[in-house]
Amino acid sequence: RKEVEQDPGPFNVPEGATVAFNCTYSNSASQSFFWYRQDCRKEPKLLMSVYSSGNEDGRFTAQLNRASQYISLLIRDSKLSDSATYLCVVNGGAGSYQLTFGKGTKLSVIP
Amino acid sequence: NAGVTQTPKFRVLKTGQSMTLLCAQDMNHEYMYWYRQDPGMGLRLIHYSVGEGTTAKGEVPDGYNVSRLKKQNFLLGLESAAPSQTSVYFCASSSPGTGMAGELFFGEGSRLTVL
Repeated sequence: RKEVEQDPGPFNVPEGATVAFNCTYSNSASQSFFWYRQDCRKEPKLLMSVYSSGNEDGRFTAQLNRASQYISLLIRDSKLSDSATYLCVVNGGAGSYQLTFGKGTKLSVIP
Repeated sequence: NAGVTQTPKFRVLKTGQSMTLLCAQDMNHEYMYWYRQDPGMGLRLIHYSVGEGTTAKGEVPDGYNVSRLKKQNFLLGLESAAPSQTSVYFCASSSPGTGMAGELFFGEGSRLTVL
């Protein structure tokens, strides 16, 4: 089983739609979880951290399910500018300096 | 604000040539990382450093060497380039203050082609 798995997509959605991405991770010791965004031919940038209680940042909501070892990202009212690849990122557990990146889910928001 | 700067941004090498990628950060971060990104493979950690003078292997270290002689710089070397090392290389840095492995700040990437 790969460490961090994501559906590669692409997800093609119309403007204004709600879209959700899931990510599963294999290391039960992982303690930190993130969603990064990467635009085409650009560097990844942190979108949001994922907290145990779930968290929201504007149109974006992240959820963590430790029992099932998955993370989700919900984007409401999609904008054209949301078109990007979304990377699920997980750390290696307590004391780990390493982050493991999923391969990403590509989102295209269509006018 | 410079953040994380990588040089060069583009390079074409012939098989067997050597080169060094330089990463410089001006945020006083303790941790620095080198990743490579290939189509369909995602980002994979090559080497990392948790402080000046220390380095460690990541997921795919073979064929690469690194050095962290100064806190702000992290060098990635290819001693004898191979076509399999054609990739986009990203340097990143982070601070313990943002969590053990919190927010990574990435450079813009270095696109390397080995012929």
